[in-house]
Amino acid sequence: GDSVTQMEGPVTLSEEAFLTINCTYTATGYPSLFWYVQYPGEGLQLLLKATKADDKGSNKGFEATYRKETTSFHLEKGSVQVSDSAVYFCALRGSNDYKLSFGAGTTVTVRA
Amino acid sequence: ETGVTQTPRHLVMGMTNKKSLKCEQHLGHNAMYWYKQSAKKPLELMFVYNFKEQTENNSVPSRFSPECPNSSHLFLHLHTLQPEDSALYLCASSQGGEKLFFGEGSRLTVL
Repeated sequence: GDSVTQMEGPVTLSEEAFLTINCTYTATGYPSLFWYVQYPGEGLQLLLKATKADDKGSNKGFEATYRKETTSFHLEKGSVQVSDSAVYFCALRGSNDYKLSFGAGTTVTVRA
Repeated sequence: ETGVTQTPRHLVMGMTNKKSLKCEQHLGHNAMYWYKQSAKKPLELMFVYNFKEQTENNSVPSRFSPECPNSSHLFLHLHTLQPEDSALYLCASSQGGEKLFFGEGSRLTVL
C-alpha cells in the first residue's frame, strides 16, 4: 500500500540554522504530497503541498519539491526561528484515493 | 481556530469505563475522520465518514465504536479499552479529501 517514511527525530537546531527533513514515499501512480505541521498543544495544519512531479510547494519560508525520480519530498527552510518548533508530518494521497497516509512525524526544536 | 472542535481535551478512564469523544466541524465539509496519534508511530487512520456514511474502518478493534449522526458531528465511543489505547485522538474534516482540517485532539489515558 501507499506509505511515507520520514527521518526520525528529534531534531534540535539553533535559530537561523538550515533545516532539512527527509521524506520518501511508496505509491503507485501519481500521488499528491503534503507537509503538515503540529504546533505544541494544537492539531495538525497543512503547511504546503505538491500535486505533480517537479512541483514546488512553499509556505512560511518552507519549501519542498516533488521528486518522482527519487520518490522524495524533502522539507527545507533556510533560516529557522524559535516559532518553527513543532512536529512535522509528511503525508501522501494516492491518485485514486481520498485518504491521507502520514509518516511518524519529526519533532523539531529551535533554540534561541 | 481551525473550525474543528474536539471535546474533551483530556480524558482519563479505567479499563471498564464507557466514555465518548466528540468532534464538531463548522466548515460545511462532507467528510470526517478519526486518527490515532501515538508517540514515534505514523498517524493511524481509524475511521472515515463521507456524507454520514462510514467508508473506511481500518481494522479498528470493536472497543472503538464511531457514530456520525450528521455531517457536522462525529463521535468515538470507547468501551473496555486497554492501556495501549492511550494516545492522542485527532478528528479531522475535509471537503473532497484535498485538505484536512484537524481539531486539537483528545488526549486519552487508560489506566
